[in-house]
Amino acid sequence: GAGVSQSPSNKVTEKGKDVELRCDPISGHTALYWYRQSLGQGLEFLIYFQGNSAPDKSGLPSDRFSAERTGGSVSTLTIQRTQQEDSAVYLCASSIQGTSQMFFGSGTQLSVL
Amino acid sequence: KQEVTQIPAALSVPEGENLVLNCSFTDSAIYNLQWFRQDPGKGLTSLLLIQSSQREQTSGRLNASLDKSSGRSTLYIAASQPGDSATYLCAVPGSGNTGKLIFGQGTTLQVKP
Repeated sequence: GAGVSQSPSNKVTEKGKDVELRCDPISGHTALYWYRQSLGQGLEFLIYFQGNSAPDKSGLPSDRFSAERTGGSVSTLTIQRTQQEDSAVYLCASSIQGTSQMFFGSGTQLSVL
Repeated sequence: KQEVTQIPAALSVPEGENLVLNCSFTDSAIYNLQWFRQDPGKGLTSLLLIQSSQREQTSGRLNASLDKSSGRSTLYIAASQPGDSATYLCAVPGSGNTGKLIFGQGTTLQVKP
């Protein structure tokens, strides 16, 4: 596609529910990243995919967070049993390879009530 | 552990002024540095990517410099316009050769007409 696409753009959920966030990277980009941006905080790295494997998942804050990538393309970030502190903008980015210029999607604004 | 600091946190200037945004990083063993722009409620747009072998990069009215030895980068914006109002973030690669980025907290720029 022309750019990195994320859906939904906004998600409101109740505490304790599970949510799935989707990222569709730029076609041909093998590297995919998830970041989180909380109000008043900087961008926090969550996980990195190279192809379908995740060699760096060091930023996932707890075992409630998981992510997968299929077909070397679309990725899904799943948050189980959401908590209010999970409220943030979740940003996805992709690059041709791991060390080149990074392109970001518009993000998913997650609000946990 | 790599840390990135941006000064100032916020800046307000009248239209037409030239301005400089500062970024410093603690670990000089980086292979590139990127400057991004973020508009409210939007994702990040990559502005400039400077490789470690380069001293500066230019794109239109933007010029970014990199001094690895001192752990500093500057983003120079010439003849600022109201449309330049946004948050500007610098980022350097984190540990490991994954391409994940460590971001500064950003400088929020307001250019007044």
